Amino acid sequence: QVQLVESGGGVVQPGRSLRLSCTASGFTFNIYAMDWVRQAPGKGLEWVTIISYDGSNTYYADSVKGRFTISRDNSKNTLYLQMNSLRGEDTAVYYCARDPNAVAGTGYYYMDVWGKGTTVTVSS
Amino acid sequence: QSVLTQPPSVSAAPGQKVTISCSGSSSNIGNNYVSWYQHLPGTAPKLLMYENNKRPSGIPDRFSGSKSGTSATLGITGLQTGDEADYYCGTWDSSLSAGVFGGGTRLTVL
Repeated sequence: QVQLVESGGGVVQPGRSLRLSCTASGFTFNIYAMDWVRQAPGKGLEWVTIISYDGSNTYYADSVKGRFTISRDNSKNTLYLQMNSLRGEDTAVYYCARDPNAVAGTGYYYMDVWGKGTTVTVSS
Repeated sequence: QSVLTQPPSVSAAPGQKVTISCSGSSSNIGNNYVSWYQHLPGTAPKLLMYENNKRPSGIPDRFSGSKSGTSATLGITGLQTGDEADYYCGTWDSSLSAGVFGGGTRLTVL
């Protein structure tokens, strides 16, 4: 079945780095844009970043711009989120999600398949 | 502060109807399609509505969506206790070049 499974979360000190992975199965990964969305404790959903089907276009939330990098390896059906210079406010559950559009950032934007999330805790 | 504005909470009795509003601007809702998501703590968010008023396969017709100008609305009829969850609207903001969500609305079925 169609599935997204995140991994790589954990406890990390402020200022350090962490890389999240999202492995896709049950669908043709390389024709979909992909997103990362997070939810901090007690807060709502926050969009983080998106990448187009071929990796050629990416967009970021201002809160992570310059610190986080989204990438994908279509040969491995895997999405990544490299998180550098982590801060306490980055503590959250991180979800990867599928965008049915191939191109990132269209007016038809939505996410139809979500993973169960991986938890990142930034603390000393 | 979220780019899209939703009421923090709504409530209604089982079997009744409820609506959840989502207000934005011309750079987001006004010129792009709106989607809605249902989220239970500890689980994956679930797509309820896309392109303003289209239901994915498996979503019952008790759920409906609409958009007018820079606002959108999610309607739920025949409320069930299983509908208790957090609901989020989302869209693309063309000025920010970013995805945006509302702050979320907690639905309580009394």
